[in-house]
Amino acid sequence: RKEVEQDPGPFNVPEGATVAFNCTYSNSASQSFFWYRQDCRKEPKLLMSVYSSGNEDGRFTAQLNRASQYISLLIRDSKLSDSATYLCVVISNSGYALNFGKGTSLLVTP
Amino acid sequence: DTGVSQDPRHKITKRGQNVTFRCDPISEHNRLYWYRQTLGQGPEFLTYFQNEAQLEKSRLLSDRFSAERPKGSFSTLEIQRTEQGDSAMYLCASISGQGNEKLFFGSGTQLSVL
Repeated sequence: RKEVEQDPGPFNVPEGATVAFNCTYSNSASQSFFWYRQDCRKEPKLLMSVYSSGNEDGRFTAQLNRASQYISLLIRDSKLSDSATYLCVVISNSGYALNFGKGTSLLVTP
Repeated sequence: DTGVSQDPRHKITKRGQNVTFRCDPISEHNRLYWYRQTLGQGPEFLTYFQNEAQLEKSRLLSDRFSAERPKGSFSTLEIQRTEQGDSAMYLCASISGQGNEKLFFGSGTQLSVL
């Protein structure tokens, strides 16, 4: 089983829709989780960290479910500019490597 | 520009040749990562440095790959006897040593092995 797994999508949603992505991780001892965004032909950039209590940043909400070993990202009121690949990141056993999922592709259409 | 710099941006080489890439992290960042990314995949971890010490290497890093960070500042990634399967984007990223897990990525080096 891979350390970090994501549904690759693509998720095609209309503007204004709410969309959610999940990401599962295999290491139950993982402590740190993140969502990164990657635009086509660009480097990944941090979108938000994921805390045990969940966190919200504007239209974006991240949640952690330790019992089921997954994290989620919810995007409300989708904008065209949200179209990108969303990468789930989990810190490895060693505490050094940040392991990325394959990413979930989102396309927001007019 | 105070971000992470990578050089070259693009490299085309023939199979069997050696290539070397350079990464200059953000100056106060003591932690440096190399990743490899192919189309449709997420970045795959290759190796990690804390200052000049290489603390972790992925199993993906065969003996044809070597990375150095001699003075704890810039880093190089060398691939010897390149193979077509080495074609990918090679990304460097750095983090400060203060517990901030925000990776700052460079723009990457796109390697094409013919």
